Amino acid sequence: EAQVTQNPRYLITVTGKKLTVTCSQNMNHEYMSWYRQDPGLGLRQIYYSMNVEVTDKGDVPEGYKVSRKEKRNFPLILESPSPNQTSLYFCASSLMGGNTEAFFGQGTRLTVV
Amino acid sequence: AQTVTQSQPEMSVQEAETVTLSCTYDTSESNYYLFWYKQPPSRQMILVIRQEAYKQQNATENRFSVNFQKAAKSFSLKISDSQLGDTAMYFCAFERSYIPTFGRGTSLIVHP
Repeated sequence: EAQVTQNPRYLITVTGKKLTVTCSQNMNHEYMSWYRQDPGLGLRQIYYSMNVEVTDKGDVPEGYKVSRKEKRNFPLILESPSPNQTSLYFCASSLMGGNTEAFFGQGTRLTVV
Repeated sequence: AQTVTQSQPEMSVQEAETVTLSCTYDTSESNYYLFWYKQPPSRQMILVIRQEAYKQQNATENRFSVNFQKAAKSFSLKISDSQLGDTAMYFCAFERSYIPTFGRGTSLIVHP
């Protein structure tokens, strides 16, 4: 089954404790991206990657890191989480080109206390 | 930079009726893509419909259709014969050069 898998689905952590949210896709997609969703703000792109070892900042990259060492994986790293990073996070993948559907993971609800 | 505006934060409709969700965008580009995504309470993001800007014909997917007005930069979604399962958050999205911009969403509730 074609899918994007995020882990964990829920995470509560404390300020400053490094964490990683994993994202994996099994569709051989070149393009992967991370979003955060906050009430009233919709989805905002954090980082994206057009291929292995190619990553770029989205609209809200501050406080986040990503890596793309393999085509299928695109982890999101919070080196020193802060309460303003409490949000719902989505990973997505698609074939290159805008006329293709983006497949989303099921989301990670992150709470930083 | 592109912006996408969904001016209706919340809407409601009776089952079996028709509802239209509005979306406008701002861009100086001529070639781009537009999408509507649905996010039900399960949080999963699901593609509803897509439109290519160079195509004049409005896209249709079963009960879902769009009214694409390129000159007006408008991309509204019409849901016919609304069903309870259509209750969800709907996001309009613009994509150019692989970078999508999402609107803030419209929460749609379908009443029995």
